[in-house]
Order: sequence, then C-alpha cells, then structure tokens
Amino acid sequence: AQSVAQPEDQVNVAEGNPLTVKCTYSVSGNPYLFWYVQYPNRGLQFLLKYITGDNLVKGSYGFEAEFNKSQTSFHLKKPSALVSDSALYFCAVRNSGAGSYQLTFGKGTKLSVIP
Amino acid sequence: DSGVTQTPKHLITATGQRVTLRCSPRSGDLSVYWYQQSLDQGLQFLIQYYNGEERAKGNILERFSAQQFPDLHSELNLSSLELGDSALYFCASSVGQGENSPLHFGNGTRLTVT
Repeated sequence: AQSVAQPEDQVNVAEGNPLTVKCTYSVSGNPYLFWYVQYPNRGLQFLLKYITGDNLVKGSYGFEAEFNKSQTSFHLKKPSALVSDSALYFCAVRNSGAGSYQLTFGKGTKLSVIP
Repeated sequence: DSGVTQTPKHLITATGQRVTLRCSPRSGDLSVYWYQQSLDQGLQFLIQYYNGEERAKGNILERFSAQQFPDLHSELNLSSLELGDSALYFCASSVGQGENSPLHFGNGTRLTVT
C-alpha cells in the first residue's frame, strides 16, 4: 500500500518570506511524486512532479520541490511567498511499477500568506 | 481552465435517491479518474477508466458505479444515497494510463444529500 503524510494542517508565512510545505511518502517501489494546489471552489491544479533524475524539480509559479530518497520526503518550497499563494496544497504519490495507476493524495496543507 | 468539464456544479437530493455525475475529459486524454473529497476523509480515489476500460479501483462503494463511453466522457452513478455521501466529487483526466503524466482536474460537483 502507498501513503502520503502532510504533517501540518496549516502553514502560516509572512509575504516575502520563504515557505516550505512538508510531505513524506511510503511506497513499495520507486515513487512518482506530485504537488497540486487547490483554490477555493476549484479543482486541483498540477504544480510539479518528480519522476527521475535531478532531486530538485522546478514547477509553476516559482515553486520547487526537493526529493530526498533516504528521508522519503518531497517538500514543496518557494523562496518568496506571495499573498496569492494562499491555498490548499496536496502532495501525491504513485508507485512507478508497471500496472500501478492509483495516485494517492495526502490530506492537504492550508497555506496562508500574511500581508 | 483545465479543459475538464463536470456537470452539474451543484446537486441537492434526498437520502435513498440516485444521481448521475458527468465528466468530459480534456481533449486527447484517454484516462478518466473519479475522486471524492470530504473534510474528514480528504481526497479519496474512487475509480479510473482508460479508453473505455476500467484500470484501477479504489475506495468505491458498491452503491457507486461508473463507466466511460466511446466518446471518452464518463459518468459516475451514486445510488441509495446516504447523508455521508455528501461531498465534492472530482473528475480528472490524463493523456496516458497515468504512469507519470499529471492529472487535470475539473471544478467538481458538490453533492448535498439531505
């Protein structure tokens, strides 16, 4: 079975400060990892993914995430937070093995950027 | 705009009733996924179809069923509805079977069971 943990229900950060949203995962094989963002009354939007290669992946809106295999983590980061970044963020994992199609999401972290 | 269309946006119905949620995937996408989002359970994977065939099944109740039609749109049928079925139901689509391509989500159908 695969799972995702987002240990913080809410993260508050001041505008202009760096932000980190934490994610750890559990999967039997090699992971495919994703971050999505959800704004109120909208569906989830894809931000970035890690499939293989460089551990630091860059995505939309200035976000990046670092894959750490030994710590089974995939934390989302941004150097300078904007008020418009306030939203719900979801980390997701899939087993890269053949026939593994199910994408498992974490429970989400609400990010509030304070002006 | 993700290109995934879900109808209706809102649905209010009574316990014991049956409803159908509809999803049109993004042009060119062959996979359709259904997810249920509630405050206590988070985002739960229900089922995936690829080019008309069921590919993966998650925590979908026996009272729920889905299908993908030849034109690739999908319907999720919920029957014998209970209060606990009230949730946001999302459809998503992807190009392939979902190995490493991102999912594109619709804006959801909010179901309220009274």
